[in-house]
Amino acid sequence: DTAVSQTPKYLVTQMGNDKSIKCEQNLGHDTMYWYKQDSKKFLKIMFSYNNKELIINETVPNRFSPKSPDKAHLNLHINSLELGDSAVYFCASSPGLRRPTQYFGPGTRLTVL
Amino acid sequence: AQTVTQSQPEMSVQEAETVTLSCTYDTSESDYYLFWYKQPPSRQMILVIRQEAYKQQNATENRFSVNFQKAAKSFSLKISDSQLGDAAMYFCAYRSWGLYSGGGADGLTFGKGTHLIIQP
Repeated sequence: DTAVSQTPKYLVTQMGNDKSIKCEQNLGHDTMYWYKQDSKKFLKIMFSYNNKELIINETVPNRFSPKSPDKAHLNLHINSLELGDSAVYFCASSPGLRRPTQYFGPGTRLTVL
Repeated sequence: AQTVTQSQPEMSVQEAETVTLSCTYDTSESDYYLFWYKQPPSRQMILVIRQEAYKQQNATENRFSVNFQKAAKSFSLKISDSQLGDAAMYFCAYRSWGLYSGGGADGLTFGKGTHLIIQP
């Protein structure tokens, strides 16, 4: 039983393309997140959603647009991909409301050529 | 804004020995959470241990324990009886008590990680 899943696990694409990464959690959690891990392994929060509502948007270029169709899904769409977007993107979820532990998906390695 | 500092980019320990990974953080908040996550080569982020700042007692999970010094803003991880499977990147992380949405949606602030090598 996969708790937090992401598709695809690997994504290789050309500069300028548009791509999406999907995330689903079957934990019944209220809150979902996107994190970016750069080539030096540094992890940084990008977005958080609580009950489909955008809560955090951390100085991310507006080429990145998260979409939460329901509480269990949080997708990340990236327009006009740039070389600097190459990274591992992690989805995570947490129960919310004073239950702070975040559970991570397996990550999506995005390579922009 | 909070910051998390891990001053040891890499640590090495013999199998079965004990190792301590350091983490310090900077915050003006009095209530918050601290975590250690492990990232093996599979890149999966795995929770190791969690500490609530209001709890004076140090958290323990089997061979993993923390030394939480709130006044010093220090949160070190001790791994006892190191095993080959402990080899990984270890990340210290901070989360606010709850600035957003009644406490539900705050992101984690991570340190830069410590690469732990286990020597057989």
